[in-house]
Amino acid sequence: DQQVKQNSPSLSVQEGRISILNCDYTNSMFDYFLWYKKYPAEGPTFLISISSIKDKNEDGRFTVFLNKSAKHLSLHIVPSQPGDSAVYFCAASGGQGGSEKLVFGKGTKLTVNP
Amino acid sequence: EADIYQTPRYLVIGTGKKITLECSQTMGHDKMYWYQQDPGMELHLIHYSYGVNSTEKGDLSSESTVSRIRTEHFPLTLESARPSHTSQYLCASSPPGPADTQYFGPGTRLTVL
Repeated sequence: DQQVKQNSPSLSVQEGRISILNCDYTNSMFDYFLWYKKYPAEGPTFLISISSIKDKNEDGRFTVFLNKSAKHLSLHIVPSQPGDSAVYFCAASGGQGGSEKLVFGKGTKLTVNP
Repeated sequence: EADIYQTPRYLVIGTGKKITLECSQTMGHDKMYWYQQDPGMELHLIHYSYGVNSTEKGDLSSESTVSRIRTEHFPLTLESARPSHTSQYLCASSPPGPADTQYFGPGTRLTVL
């Protein structure tokens, strides 16, 4: 059973608008969450993370929101740029797997149209 | 951020061949990981290591093996490749600390004919 779910396989937005990527998790013991960006044939690149003691973390155009009661997090990209087009993976750690192991979602493919 | 190197980037081989995928990092990180990823799917942890001479199997069963003789080097070996091993293999490492931010190499795209 998937512990980290990204229910939208793809998302398309216009350049300059906001992109919102969503992620749900089922394990209430997860305490650290990350977003990675991946281009085809390359490794994932770390974008931003958030600890469960916070509900928001911001880094430039990227903001991650965490709603622990809903077991939901989201990544906001404002403004979106064509170079942001990639697959975005949500990941979580903590719980039985320990703090060292990451559990990944299946990813959401973001396309930013010029 | 870690500098992680993986070679080869692409490999096409025949069934039954023995292969070794190389992974090296220059940051002195103790923790290293191997993931397997198929298109449209999540990354699955297949091996990890918390230091020299320490290796563990991950959540996804794999016929591959790993070794950790040096801190900076974490190679993955398949003794007899099969078409079912066709996938992308990603190596990662992370610095010390209770919460993991893992940094990934560029990956090896393996195709077994």
